[in-house]
Amino acid sequence: AAGVIQSPRHLIKEKRETATLKCYPIPRHDTVYWYQQGPGQDPQFLISFYEKMQSDKGSIPDRFSAQQFSDYHSELNMSSLELGDSALYFCASSLEVYRENTGELFFGEGSRLTVL
Amino acid sequence: GNSVTQMEGPVTLSEEAFLTINCTYTATGYPSLFWYVQYPGEGLQLLLKATKADDKGSNKGFEATYRKETTSFHLEKGSVQVSDSAVYFCALSDHRNTGFQKLVFGTGTRLLVSP
Repeated sequence: AAGVIQSPRHLIKEKRETATLKCYPIPRHDTVYWYQQGPGQDPQFLISFYEKMQSDKGSIPDRFSAQQFSDYHSELNMSSLELGDSALYFCASSLEVYRENTGELFFGEGSRLTVL
Repeated sequence: GNSVTQMEGPVTLSEEAFLTINCTYTATGYPSLFWYVQYPGEGLQLLLKATKADDKGSNKGFEATYRKETTSFHLEKGSVQVSDSAVYFCALSDHRNTGFQKLVFGTGTRLLVSP
């Protein structure tokens, strides 16, 4: 079965540069969530989208922005990168009616960002 | 607010030992509960879930029972293998309380199984 696809899998950037991460949800899924996992930390919720509209916002820095497009894929844009942004970034998706019943999200394998 | 508390790791066991990883939660509503597993260098995989009180989730020999009276969802396995070495995250979704409630994770418990 198709899973959540994230790209790139690995990314190395310098401080103050910009990075863009992409997420392709499972076909027919209409919600996308972004999480950030620092080294040895639990995943922290950043932001989510439902039907291309922002549905919830967590601890996302002002330097970061995200959007969901008409084909339901999502992009996380990170500017003025800092060393502390080095982390594993997960995207998750769900079909909202299913999630309302079970609460389950389906995660991608993550994009590892290293800021030097 | 909603939160999840897990026992601290690492948990170090010999192969074929019995495993318990404790997880308790705080939620305003009636959440669904999950265990996710993260193998070294990989993403988050759903291990098992329970959506209501007294439900038992099970997968790959792992089990966890949703205990509303003790607000717990402890993970157990009767005989661990070296291949079970990973980080285990307990999580909840209070999705019935608000429309788009996100998953809330515990801090994770690292399991190390030696031959």
